Amino acid sequence: SQKIEQNSEALNIQEGKTATLTCNYTNYSPAYLQWYRQDPGRGPVFLLLIRENEKEKRKERLKVTFDTTLKQSLFHITASQPADSATYLCALPNSGYSTLTFGKGTMLLVSP
Amino acid sequence: EPEVTQTPSHQVTQMGQEVILRCVPISNHLYFYWYRQILGQKVEFLVSFYNNEISEKSEIFDDQFSVERPDGSNFTLKIRSTKLEDSAMYFCASSPGHPLSGANVLTFGAGSRLTVL
Repeated sequence: SQKIEQNSEALNIQEGKTATLTCNYTNYSPAYLQWYRQDPGRGPVFLLLIRENEKEKRKERLKVTFDTTLKQSLFHITASQPADSATYLCALPNSGYSTLTFGKGTMLLVSP
Repeated sequence: EPEVTQTPSHQVTQMGQEVILRCVPISNHLYFYWYRQILGQKVEFLVSFYNNEISEKSEIFDDQFSVERPDGSNFTLKIRSTKLEDSAMYFCASSPGHPLSGANVLTFGAGSRLTVL
């Protein structure tokens, strides 16, 4: 089954800097990959979907890349704000495309 | 904005009791899911449901668990004979389209926290 690896250590950055989070997967390359945000005690919230034929996707201050050769996605938040502090989850479909499997997530802490 | 509604927000039960967690998915969504998250761990898939039947389930989803869509709006997760290790946050989610199309962007509810004593 697909193994998804996200940096388990929290990422601490200063307000205004760019945060970069990494998602690596070990098995098959899926047709798409998704990123979600999760705040403490809340359900994940969808942020971005990127397809295998898209190298890069942007939404406001968010940017996602997808490198199927490296089996890696990078998630960037530019001009970070304290309100961006949360856990960010990478999610991939399973091989049967019947559901999404989530990584453990990386906690981002943005200090003023 | 449409949302997925879950009740109760928190349930405390004794070991061995049965619990039912309820969800109202987004009305025009076709695919329904239950996930759980044990404190400090990742969001784990339990079961997916489409066209009034289970389409996929994980190894966690054993005979202790069942799901039902009793009417056109509710989607329930029943846990029989609860165990201490069932303590977790249970999330319901729904999506509008088929996962293969990439249209299975999941909308999650706020979760039901289950505490088994």
